[in-house]
Amino acid sequence: EADIYQTPRYLVIGTGKKITLECSQTMGHDKMYWYQQDPGMELHLIHYSYGVNSTEKGDLSSESTVSRIRTEHFPLTLESARPSHTSQYLCASSDRGLLNTEAFFGQGTRLTVV
Amino acid sequence: GQQVMQIPQYQHVQEGEDFTTYCNSSTTLSNIQWYKQRPGGHPVFLIQLVKSGEVKKQKRLTFQFGEAKKNSSLHITATQTTDVGTYFCAGLMDSSYKLIFGSGTRLLVRP
Repeated sequence: EADIYQTPRYLVIGTGKKITLECSQTMGHDKMYWYQQDPGMELHLIHYSYGVNSTEKGDLSSESTVSRIRTEHFPLTLESARPSHTSQYLCASSDRGLLNTEAFFGQGTRLTVV
Repeated sequence: GQQVMQIPQYQHVQEGEDFTTYCNSSTTLSNIQWYKQRPGGHPVFLIQLVKSGEVKKQKRLTFQFGEAKKNSSLHITATQTTDVGTYFCAGLMDSSYKLIFGSGTRLLVRP
């Protein structure tokens, strides 16, 4: 079982609220990712990081921001939640290099903005 | 930006029939990975292919990586109801740490 954790699992929040989705891994992985996935749909990369103090935006434009102050921690923040942010957010991590790039996923956070 | 497309979007088969999903990238990939996601679950890693033309087998599953490292396929022989789920390919972009997922193929198996 992968050692990557996301909290909360479910979140219902009102429009305009600030939220932070937590993601932590204990595998010492350098690379971490945030994906957004609507039910039954594809995964869209919204942020990724290849190490401490390095973050990049993914291919799907997102109003969220991320930080990578510690290797094991990669939180995602929405300053002002809107109903259009309703979705599932999946965090993943993988090791450095090309030969062992298996991505381990957390259980996901299902966000509903009302 | 980089795109990874998969076909078909859905496949509904009778148990015992074969199943194939195809993955195509707009750019050359460092490697290709395959994942399975059960309904309500998160993607789980199946396999990784790195070399041009590589073929790997896992029991009833056969994975191929194209010669140009831009396409891949997953073939399941004699499907079972336990194979139900969505299969995603994911490409690691050349000279990048971006792991881009394909659009996925949802497999339904009639018992």
